Amino acid sequence: NAGVMQNPRHLVRRRGQEARLRCSPMKGHSHVYWYRQLPEEGLKFMVYLQKENIIDESGMPKERFSAEFPKEGPSILRIQQVVRGDSAAYFCASSPLDRGSYGYTFGSGTRLTVV
Amino acid sequence: AQSVSQHNHHVILSEAASLELGCNYSYGGTVNLFWYVQYPGQHLQLLLKYFSGDPLVKGIKGFEAEFIKSKFSFNLRKPSVQWSDTAEYFCAVNPSLYGGSQGNLIFGKGTKLSVKP
Repeated sequence: NAGVMQNPRHLVRRRGQEARLRCSPMKGHSHVYWYRQLPEEGLKFMVYLQKENIIDESGMPKERFSAEFPKEGPSILRIQQVVRGDSAAYFCASSPLDRGSYGYTFGSGTRLTVV
Repeated sequence: AQSVSQHNHHVILSEAASLELGCNYSYGGTVNLFWYVQYPGQHLQLLLKYFSGDPLVKGIKGFEAEFIKSKFSFNLRKPSVQWSDTAEYFCAVNPSLYGGSQGNLIFGKGTKLSVKP
């Protein structure tokens, strides 16, 4: 049973380019969470999605960032016109129920570097 | 706003020493509490969690944590650390509603543990 799969593991983008980060939840999990980890910081919640629905995006920056979790395929975190401050590790987690009561399983993360 | 404080940024211990990592949270209601470990270059793994019941929780790899409600604390302990415990440790909370959790986790900034062989 594969865990949460994130790709790519490492992503390098020049300032102004777009970054697309993918997350496939564990089999049977229909709830996805995105977190960002800045250097020397803990993980910060960004967005919580179910299939075709954004449940909570209170942690998402107002501009340039968007997320989706389509009916088919992985969840995508999209960052438009990246800036150096977007350099971070982005982690996806999934859970089987809407409240995460059974815990969250994290992926290995995507490390985004903006040059 | 809810927050989680981990008091130690970096802890250095020798093998066989005892470990205690502090975690305090600010939230007036019922919470679920978690400790995660992140080994170098890897993803977060759940060490243990507390939802209800016995406030002394035992997790994997010999770790345990004690929930002290009056102190808003959930400190992580291990009686004897090993070199392989070198990692970063994150405390996290989320509000509890009717025994379940409410979505996202709030993480502390993490504590780096270095164990000298």
